Amino acid sequence: EAQVTQNPRYLITVTGKKLTVTCSQNMNHEYMSWYRQDPGLGLRQIYYSMNVEVTDKGDVPEGYKVSRKEKRNFPLILESPSPNQTSLYFCASAQEQSYEQYFGPGTRLTVT
Amino acid sequence: AQSVTQLDSQVPVFEEAPVELRCNYSSSVSVYLFWYVQYPNQGLQLLLKYLSGSTLVKGINGFEAEFNKSQTSFHLRKPSVHISDTAEYFCAVSLTFGNEKLTFGTGTRLTIIP
Repeated sequence: EAQVTQNPRYLITVTGKKLTVTCSQNMNHEYMSWYRQDPGLGLRQIYYSMNVEVTDKGDVPEGYKVSRKEKRNFPLILESPSPNQTSLYFCASAQEQSYEQYFGPGTRLTVT
Repeated sequence: AQSVTQLDSQVPVFEEAPVELRCNYSSSVSVYLFWYVQYPNQGLQLLLKYLSGSTLVKGINGFEAEFNKSQTSFHLRKPSVHISDTAEYFCAVSLTFGNEKLTFGTGTRLTIIP
């Protein structure tokens, strides 16, 4: 089954404790992206990647890091999480220039 | 830079009634337009998209949208809604050249009243 998977689905952590949210897709898509969803703000792009070793900032990159060492994986790293990063996070992937993005199920992160 | 406005944050509709969810965009260049749906506790799923051609676009689950360039709008419509249409709906735009970046609106929560 073609899908985007994220782990973990739920995470509660404390301020300053480094964490990684994994994202993997099995569709051989070139493009991958991370979004955060907050009430009243919709989805905002954090980082995106056009292909392996090619990443760029989205609209809200502060406090996040990403890497794209393999085509299928695009982990999101929070090196020192803060409470304002409490949010629902989505990973998405797309075939190059197809303009249809496939979304993962989401990761709900709470930082206390 | 492109932007998307969804003026209605919540829309309650009686079952079997028609619905229109409004979306307006702004961009200095040509854009592609999308509607995504998010069912409770799920990720986003593409409903329909406009890339070119006919301005009336049909999507899944009986939804359709019309691209109006002069009014910079892409409103979503369904002639008769069902309980199962309860969800949050997001309008999104993308530039038409070499960049899959999506800019989303703030979403409209559609509630179906039995």
